Amino acid sequence: DAGITQSPRHKVTETGTPVTLRCHQTENHRYMYWYRQDPGHGLRLIHYSYGVKDTDKGEVSDGYSVSRSKTEDFLLTLESATSSQTSVYFCAITTGTTGELFFGEGSRLTVL
Amino acid sequence: GQQLNQSPQSMFIQEGEDVSMNCTSSSIFNTWLWYKQDPGEGPVLLIALYKAGELTSNGRLTAQFGITRKDSFLNISASIPSDVGIYFCGSYGKLTFGQGTILTVHP
Repeated sequence: DAGITQSPRHKVTETGTPVTLRCHQTENHRYMYWYRQDPGHGLRLIHYSYGVKDTDKGEVSDGYSVSRSKTEDFLLTLESATSSQTSVYFCAITTGTTGELFFGEGSRLTVL
Repeated sequence: GQQLNQSPQSMFIQEGEDVSMNCTSSSIFNTWLWYKQDPGEGPVLLIALYKAGELTSNGRLTAQFGITRKDSFLNISASIPSDVGIYFCGSYGKLTFGQGTILTVHP
C-alpha cells in the first residue's frame, strides 16, 4: 500500500463545468502523476510533478491543468469539462529511482 | 514520443492453459515493468526488469527483458480464474504504457 487516496472516486458532471480531482499521498513521495485510462488506449500520462510547484505536461495534457502546492496533494483540474474527458483517472507515485509506479484506485468521471 | 505496442489485445483461454503476451517499443528502454489491473482497481506491479536478457519469475509469472532492449515478454503458466484482468507493459523514462492485454479465463 503506497498510501494513495483519490477523491472523488466517482463523479458525474455536465459539459462546460469545472472539475477538480484530488490525489493525496501520506508518505512524502516526491514524484506524482496523473493518467487517464480509456478502452483501446491503455494508460496515458496527462501531467506529472517532480515536487512542490514543479509540474510538467504529459502525452495528453490539453484541457487539463495541475497544481501541487503541498508535497502530499496533486490536483488535476478540468477547467471546462467535455464529453471526451469522460474517463477513469489514475494518480500514481514512484517511491524511488527504479521507476516503479504505484497507482491509486482511480476516479471515474462521466461528462454528460 | 515513445510508443509501446502490446499484443495480443485480448485473450480468451481455458483454465490451466499457459498465456504469453509481449510488448515492443520503437525506442530502447532501460526498464520494463509489467502490471495487472483487476476490474475497478488501479494497476498493480507484477514484475520489474532492469537488464537486457534478464529473466524474472514471480510465482506462475515469468517475464523477460529482450536483448535488443526494445521488447519484453510476460508468460503466465497454468492459468486460474483470478488471472482475469488487464495486463500492461510499461517503462520508466516517460512512463509510457502499452494499450493492455485483456485476459479472460474460462473455468
